[in-house]
Amino acid sequence: QQQVKQSPQSLIVQKGGISIINCAYENTAFDYFPWYQQFPGKGPALLIAIRPDVSEKKEGRFTISFNKSAKQFSLHIMDSQPGDSATYFCAASSAGKSTFGDGTTLTVKP
Amino acid sequence: DAGITQSPRHKVTETGTPVTLRCHQTENHRYMYWYRQDPGHGLRLIHYSYGVKDTDKGEVSDGYSVSRSKTEDFLLTLESATSSQTSVYFCAISRLGLAGVDEQFFGPGTRLTVL
Repeated sequence: QQQVKQSPQSLIVQKGGISIINCAYENTAFDYFPWYQQFPGKGPALLIAIRPDVSEKKEGRFTISFNKSAKQFSLHIMDSQPGDSATYFCAASSAGKSTFGDGTTLTVKP
Repeated sequence: DAGITQSPRHKVTETGTPVTLRCHQTENHRYMYWYRQDPGHGLRLIHYSYGVKDTDKGEVSDGYSVSRSKTEDFLLTLESATSSQTSVYFCAISRLGLAGVDEQFFGPGTRLTVL
């Protein structure tokens, strides 16, 4: 049973556009929802994260929207840039352990 | 980068041979993790440690063992490597972030190929 489902698997966006990646989770015990960015040949890097008592968190061009009742959360990348091209993973954490989505490969075309 | 190094960074081995991957951290973090990353599967937890000699299994622990004899080192061993264990292996640490929750930080990874 996959506890964190991520979509889409891949995404192509024009420079300046908005990239949206969605995740859904099953376990209501999760209490922390981070997003990671990974470039080829590198380890995942923490990008932005949210706790379930907050519905939205914004850091620069990156925003997490969180819907606790629907058990869904999403990453929005505003004004997408070619340098944002990477693989993005959502995760759901509880008691120090994280469950990851399968990843979304984002390509931003110049 | 949270002071995490992994060795080796690349390894090619043959089926049936033992393999040990090393994760080393310099910041005295209590929690350490081993993940594997495969196309279409994201990151899956193999084992984790919450202190010296304290370890527990993750979701894909079969065929793997771990040891942590000192805080800075977390070893992952494949007792008898199989082709299904060809993967990229990431070590991670957990530390308290600004939000008051434990945040994970990853090492650079080890690419393992089992022929």
